[in-house]
Amino acid sequence: AQKVTQAQTEISVVEKEDVTLDCVYETRDTTYYLFWYKQPPSGELVFLIRRNSFDEQNEISGRYSWNFQKSTSSFNFTITASQVVDSAVYFCALSGGVNDYKLSFGAGTTVTVRA
Amino acid sequence: DVKVTQSSRYLVKRTGEKVFLECVQDMDHENMFWYRQDPGLGLRLIYFSYDVKMKEKGDIPEGYSVSREKKERFSLILESASTNQTSMYLCASSFPLRDGYTFGSGTRLTVV
Repeated sequence: AQKVTQAQTEISVVEKEDVTLDCVYETRDTTYYLFWYKQPPSGELVFLIRRNSFDEQNEISGRYSWNFQKSTSSFNFTITASQVVDSAVYFCALSGGVNDYKLSFGAGTTVTVRA
Repeated sequence: DVKVTQSSRYLVKRTGEKVFLECVQDMDHENMFWYRQDPGLGLRLIYFSYDVKMKEKGDIPEGYSVSREKKERFSLILESASTNQTSMYLCASSFPLRDGYTFGSGTRLTVV
């Protein structure tokens, strides 16, 4: 069975602070995919990134960066210099195997950025 | 822009009613999914479909059924709505693993 754990329920920061969201996963598959989604107050989930299990290279996209560490089964997400528009619920998700199309989601972390 | 459209943003239904939640995508995706989202539980998969007329149970299928008569449309059916089915329902579609899913805006269902 696959499992995704986001231990942080809520994080509150002041604008321009950095925020790191933790994600720990469990899977028996050797090939799997990890995702991060953002859900702003409007409700629609927005895709942020996909990573496959063979690519441990860290990625940076603007103020967003991701740290994938297979050794600790973690896929953490950092927002640098946070802004009010970053306030949202962030979900980490896992899909196992080449033919497994289902995503298993973590419980989500609510990020509130105060001006 | 690619889209997944859910027919209703808010719905209020009575206990025991049969409820239909509709989802349409315009991306020619093979795969479609229904999730429910509850505070502290994240998103849980109810049903999914990888082809027309094909369906598979997800993690919490009890009390639900689905229909996929056309590739672009995936309907979630609550056979007899109950108060514990009050939730946010999210539809999604995808090509296999290509950039994850595209989600609809969700339907917030309240069963009274």
